[in-house]
Amino acid sequence: AQKITQTQPGMFVQEKEAVTLDCTYDTSDPSYGLFWYKQPSSGEMIFLIYQGSYDQQNATEGRYSLNFQKARKSANLVISASQLGDSAMYFCAMREGRGTDKLIFGTGTRLQVFP
Amino acid sequence: DTEVTQTPKHLVMGMTNKKSLKCEQHMGHRAMYWYKQKAKKPPELMFVYSYEKLSINESVPSRFSPECPNSSLLNLHLHALQPEDSALYLCASSPHRTGAANEKLFFGSGTQLSVL
Repeated sequence: AQKITQTQPGMFVQEKEAVTLDCTYDTSDPSYGLFWYKQPSSGEMIFLIYQGSYDQQNATEGRYSLNFQKARKSANLVISASQLGDSAMYFCAMREGRGTDKLIFGTGTRLQVFP
Repeated sequence: DTEVTQTPKHLVMGMTNKKSLKCEQHMGHRAMYWYKQKAKKPPELMFVYSYEKLSINESVPSRFSPECPNSSLLNLHLHALQPEDSALYLCASSPHRTGAANEKLFFGSGTQLSVL
């Protein structure tokens, strides 16, 4: 069974600083995908970044990068130059590649950016 | 159009009411999903439709009845709900390429449901 763990219930960061949100996962499937979603107070889940299990390089999308350490089964999200609008819940999620339609989420980290 | 549209945004219903949640996408996606999210918790998968057929039911009580009338529409029919069913109900879609672990889900903004 797959499992996603986010150990940080809440994080604070000052505007313009970088912050790392932790995510570890557990799966026996060699093919899987890891996702980060942002959920502001409006409720919508916004896709941020994706990392595939066979990808050789860490994914980057603008101010978002993913620190993928396959041997440690971790996929931490790094947000550079934090902005006030980054304040939201952040969910790590995983999807296995054996034809399953399931995207399973971790418990989330609430990020608060202060001026 | 890269949107998943959910209506209504808010719904209040009594335990004897029958109501429906609606979800629509026009991205040509062939997989559609219902998630339930309680406050301060992650989304939990309820149902998955693949090519208009129900492919996953995560042991959801029968008072929740999904329907996929065509590839663009997904409904969730609600009947005899309990107060503990109050939650944010999120719809999502994905292109659905079988075995593709890299398929991201596109989410709607959800329906906030309150059962009195």
